[in-house]
Amino acid sequence: EAGVAQSPRYKIIEKRQSVAFWCNPISGHATLYWYQQILGQGPKLLIQFQNNGVVDDSQLPKDRFSAERLKGVDSTLKIQPAKLEDSAVYLCASSLRGRENSPLHFGNGTRLTVT
Amino acid sequence: AQKVTQAQTEISVVEKEDVTLDCVYETRDTTYYLFWYKQPPSGELVFLIRRNSFDEQNEISGRYSWNFQKSTSSFNFTITASQVVDSAVYFCALSEKGGSEKLVFGKGTKLTVNP
Repeated sequence: EAGVAQSPRYKIIEKRQSVAFWCNPISGHATLYWYQQILGQGPKLLIQFQNNGVVDDSQLPKDRFSAERLKGVDSTLKIQPAKLEDSAVYLCASSLRGRENSPLHFGNGTRLTVT
Repeated sequence: AQKVTQAQTEISVVEKEDVTLDCVYETRDTTYYLFWYKQPPSGELVFLIRRNSFDEQNEISGRYSWNFQKSTSSFNFTITASQVVDSAVYFCALSEKGGSEKLVFGKGTKLTVNP
């Protein structure tokens, strides 16, 4: 089966600019996650979708970050305006719903550098 | 609150040595799930194992084995006869039953296996 697809692979922007990341989960996976991984740390959940509804966005900095999952398939994560501390790898993951705490399948991530 | 601690930041071994990666967790729930993920230099997080809190049996998969001890809140991972291809960052993670089932990750242990 095809894995989780993410693009772009790398992005360099200046602070105060905006940026968007795209994710296409594994076919049939109803749950989609966006994680932020700062260098040297473990991934931190930003937002979780179940189909096209938000399940958990408690750690999403809503003043600058937004995410959507129209039609319950692919998703975009946007940062506007970006700050230096947003430099990180943004990982998308998906999982089957219906199987309790089923493993997450991760994409290769988008490495964002804010200068 | 959930917390995962991986005290070892970096470990370096010589090929064919055995190595154990430590993981200590905190949770108030009686039902929870523990995971190990591998992150090679390519960046993708690869699922290795999931255990639920009611199953304390140790598990072996080839050169990999896991020791789950609820009494010490630990879920350690051992690689036997390490190989260069085992070089990666390894993350331990925790999720609680129900709710968003989000994963809380430790900071990771970087394993380098030298030839």
